[in-house]
Amino acid sequence: NAGVTQTPKFQVLKTGQSMTLQCAQDMNHNSMYWYRQDPGMGLRLIYYSASEGTTDKGEVPNGYNVSRLNKREFSLRLESAAPSQTSVYFCVTPGQNIVGYTFGSGTRLTVV
Amino acid sequence: GDSVTQMEGPVTLSEEAFLTINCTYTATGYPSLFWYVQYPGEGLQLLLKATKADDKGSNKGFEATYRKETTSFHLEKGSVQVSDSAVYFCARSGGSNYKLTFGKGTLLTVNP
Repeated sequence: NAGVTQTPKFQVLKTGQSMTLQCAQDMNHNSMYWYRQDPGMGLRLIYYSASEGTTDKGEVPNGYNVSRLNKREFSLRLESAAPSQTSVYFCVTPGQNIVGYTFGSGTRLTVV
Repeated sequence: GDSVTQMEGPVTLSEEAFLTINCTYTATGYPSLFWYVQYPGEGLQLLLKATKADDKGSNKGFEATYRKETTSFHLEKGSVQVSDSAVYFCARSGGSNYKLTFGKGTLLTVNP
């Protein structure tokens, strides 16, 4: 089944630790996005990739890095986690006809 | 930049009441418009969409009409049920990178 696979689903980090959130899609679309969801803030774009080999900052990129490894995979890295990065993270890609987006199941990250 | 403004919640209704959640968007370009729903503990699901002016999206009794003249995409349902209790997000996509921009979300609680 076509979709977006995101790992891990849950993670607890200590302040200063690093981690990478993985995302893989089989929608065969060029674009991929990382969002974070916080109560009362909606979903905010962290980084996006319009095609393999390109990445651009979104609304809230500070404290994050990304890698577009190939057309399928787009990873998000926290080099030194901070409590302000406690959030739910979603990887997203447009559908085959653009109108309709497919979301990963989300990663609930807690930084203590 | 692109933005979406939606009615702040929370909204509390009795079962069978009429629902309206207001949403307005910036008119840059020719965006597609979406309503997403998030049930407790779950990810986002597409509820309905519209791709051009005067289109009406509908699903599960919910409706929204793409109004270019008022830059609005208000969500309506004639008779809500307890099972409609969720957070509702209005969103727009646009630009060459198809980025989604979300409103902050509206929490709806429907009481029996």
